[in-house]
Amino acid sequence: GAVVSQHPSWVICKSGTSVKIECRSLDFQATTMFWYRQFPKQSLMLMATSNEGSKATYEQGVEKDKFLINHASLTLSTLTVTSAHPEDSSFYICSASAGGFNEQFFGPGTRLTVL
Amino acid sequence: GNSVTQMEGPVTLSEEAFLTINCTYTATGYPSLFWYVQYPGEGLQLLLKATKADDKGSNKGFEATYRKETTSFHLEKGSVQVSDSAVYFCALSSGGYQKVTFGTGTKLQVIP
Repeated sequence: GAVVSQHPSWVICKSGTSVKIECRSLDFQATTMFWYRQFPKQSLMLMATSNEGSKATYEQGVEKDKFLINHASLTLSTLTVTSAHPEDSSFYICSASAGGFNEQFFGPGTRLTVL
Repeated sequence: GNSVTQMEGPVTLSEEAFLTINCTYTATGYPSLFWYVQYPGEGLQLLLKATKADDKGSNKGFEATYRKETTSFHLEKGSVQVSDSAVYFCALSSGGYQKVTFGTGTKLQVIP
């Protein structure tokens, strides 16, 4: 299958700072990218869906001003957690798709810890 | 809304044992059903899928049958190997691969 990378794989930051997570599709053009959040022993929860060149569509309950998503190219999407707080600590996973009914390919995830 | 319930882990089996991981779902319409696997340090990979009732998905010795009457999609393997140790996620989508709803994941540990 296709390869999706995430960077960084883990990050620790202080409360009140912003953190950017990158998601890259390495060998295909990702028309659509998805961002998920996973709490310990819980499901992956879809946060938002982004199509290249368009504004992201956020799921209900996800603050779009706190979780900024940019999908400026067909191989890169970024998630920025602004003014991070300890409750934002979680495992963030992205996936990428060539769009439509094509399979989603998942990145390895980023562990965010906010002190 | 859509939801997926799968058995809690961890599941610990000896090599060559039979594996069953239960999964049931709630969804409107006719969802597609998936099993994803996540090996340590890696991203989720699609293991198998079924798109309509009575379909059987299979891959790498794993099988799951789409049972609409019991709203289930249980994962089975006749003889597990140490290399099968991973976290397994049951999932559904009611519109192709968009908006996939995941279960909580079941960790499988296979011991020699």
